[in-house]
Amino acid sequence: SQTIHQWPATLVQPVGSPLSLECTVEGTSNPNLYWYRQAAGRGLQLLFYSVGIGQISSEVPQNLSASRPQDRQFILSSKKLLLSDSGFYLCAWSEGLAGGTGELFFGEGSRLTVL
Amino acid sequence: AQTVTQSQPEMSVQEAETVTLSCTYDTSENNYYLFWYKQPPSRQMILVIRQEAYKQQNATENRFSVNFQKAAKSFSLKISDSQLGDTAMYFCAFMKDYYGGATNKLIFGTGTLLAVQP
Repeated sequence: SQTIHQWPATLVQPVGSPLSLECTVEGTSNPNLYWYRQAAGRGLQLLFYSVGIGQISSEVPQNLSASRPQDRQFILSSKKLLLSDSGFYLCAWSEGLAGGTGELFFGEGSRLTVL
Repeated sequence: AQTVTQSQPEMSVQEAETVTLSCTYDTSENNYYLFWYKQPPSRQMILVIRQEAYKQQNATENRFSVNFQKAAKSFSLKISDSQLGDTAMYFCAFMKDYYGGATNKLIFGTGTLLAVQP
């Protein structure tokens, strides 16, 4: 069966420090991968998605970047965090080929607090 | 651009009763998918129910059912016989029809926090 894990679960970082959130998927090949940010009262905002190794699409301009160094690994990064980067970040995957249901499978989430 | 609106930030229901969560969306697409996701406190978000726009029959999953009104662009979730474990944030989501690849991106509403009271 497929599983998805992301870490760390909780992170407190000072303004200006770097960030690295990691997400891995097991039990599937060539998944589509996504990073969402969840803010109170604003739902889930899609930040990045990837359809393959090295292929990253950004949905909103921001201070963050994403990378996909391996088929089932997705990393969210920042060189210098801003206060506005605080939030709950969710990694998700979906089937990458035609015939999938479109369902997203979410990780446990990472809560980032920038002080 | 597509938008999803959930006008009820919070709702409360007594155990064993029925509750309906509202969702409206805006799109010019004819083929699309609609979803309800559940996010329990401190737990992973999971899919509750899925509806294809080309299907007239409302989707049902055990105690969960939807009222899909395509002309009105409405997609409400009904939870029957509410249980304490149904306490969660519920998100409505929209996805354009896709043919594999990159386009299966979901657009989410702002969520409805449902509390089931004993």
